[in-house]
Amino acid sequence: GQQVMQIPQYQHVQEGEDFTTYCNSSTTLSNIQWYKQRPGGHPVFLIQLVKSGEVKKQKRLTFQFGEAKKNSSLHITATQTTDVGTYFCAGLSGTYKYIFGTGTRLKVLA
Amino acid sequence: NAGVTQTPKFQVLKTGQSMTLQCAQDMNHEYMSWYRQDPGMGLRLIHYSVGAGITDQGEVPNGYNVSRSTTEDFPLRLLSAAPSQTSVYFCASSPRGRGGDTQYFGPGTRLTVL
Repeated sequence: GQQVMQIPQYQHVQEGEDFTTYCNSSTTLSNIQWYKQRPGGHPVFLIQLVKSGEVKKQKRLTFQFGEAKKNSSLHITATQTTDVGTYFCAGLSGTYKYIFGTGTRLKVLA
Repeated sequence: NAGVTQTPKFQVLKTGQSMTLQCAQDMNHEYMSWYRQDPGMGLRLIHYSVGAGITDQGEVPNGYNVSRSTTEDFPLRLLSAAPSQTSVYFCASSPRGRGGDTQYFGPGTRLTVL
């Protein structure tokens, strides 16, 4: 079946350093979504990418969708302690099934 | 709006017991889904529904039943709990469930099966 992998699984950074997580699918995706889950919380939607090569920015966060629509990345510039959490990508499989990546847990050291 | 609500927040079961996890949304969303989250494995889709009376299986449906009698409610039933079902369960909803829809997650139910 379709698989969505994320790397790295864990990342510890000093506050102010940059952070990137990568999402790779075994099949072409029609779209990809990114979610953030704070420790002890639930996933919260961040953004959706649809077009090949698409780049979107939200303040310090930059999201990219690969040209082949099989991979995506999330880059955070100058991390802050509020960025702590686990970041998930989710790709649409067929019409109604979202396949979530394994997630990248980010810890920011002050 | 309360959004997506789940009850209970915590539950401990013994092997072989049955129970129902409740999920409700007040956003008039057609699509609702159940996920389980295990350490290092992300979220895995159990069952989903695209409207009242319509349900389908996700990635890991074995041991779980669902029904959707109303737009608002989507309960998840564990028929005979097993230790492998120890997990955090999230319910989510979205307007239609198709590409382009944001999924809104409930706060989760932490289930332990002894």
